[in-house]
Amino acid sequence: GAGVSQSPRYKVTKRGQDVALRCDPISGHVSLYWYRQALGQGPEFLTYFNYEAQQDKSGLPNDRFSAERPEGSISTLTIQRTEQRDSAMYRCASSSNYNSPLHFGNGTRLTVT
Amino acid sequence: KNEVEQSPQNLTAQEGEFITINCSYSVGISALHWLQQHPGGGIVSLFMLSSGKKKHGRLIATINIQEKHSSLHITASHPRDSAVYICAVIVYSGGGADGLTFGKGTHLIIQP
Repeated sequence: GAGVSQSPRYKVTKRGQDVALRCDPISGHVSLYWYRQALGQGPEFLTYFNYEAQQDKSGLPNDRFSAERPEGSISTLTIQRTEQRDSAMYRCASSSNYNSPLHFGNGTRLTVT
Repeated sequence: KNEVEQSPQNLTAQEGEFITINCSYSVGISALHWLQQHPGGGIVSLFMLSSGKKKHGRLIATINIQEKHSSLHITASHPRDSAVYICAVIVYSGGGADGLTFGKGTHLIIQP
């Protein structure tokens, strides 16, 4: 595609529900990063994929958070049993490799009520 | 894990001033990114550096690998440059890059 695409654009969910957020990187991009940004805060790294391999998941806050990229293209970030503190803008970025410019998606605004 | 420090945290300047934003990191890196985020907006990549210096319009980015330090300069600053500028680093350890570490950002306001 022309850019990094994320869906849904907005997600409102009740506490305790599971959510799945999708990132469709630029075609051919090897590296894919997930991060989140609470209102008024800087970005916080969550996890990183190189092709389909999850190279670094040290930023995932706890075991309710998981991510996959099974075919090395589209990635899904799943949050189980959501809590209000999970509310944030969840963004992904991709690059052709680890040493190339980053391209950012517009994010998914998650609100947990 | 890499520690990324940016300074200043907040900067207010007059239109036309020369602006410098600094970024220091603790572990040798493979690449450093300067990012820009306007209020309520998405993040845009300004520069990706692994050595030396890059220039794009009024923006200049430099990196000193030995000193683990990078600077972003804005010449002839303009109110539209008002944004948060974020430094992010990537470490590649051979087995795969160790993700992104973000600085906390520098809030820049350019007054007319």
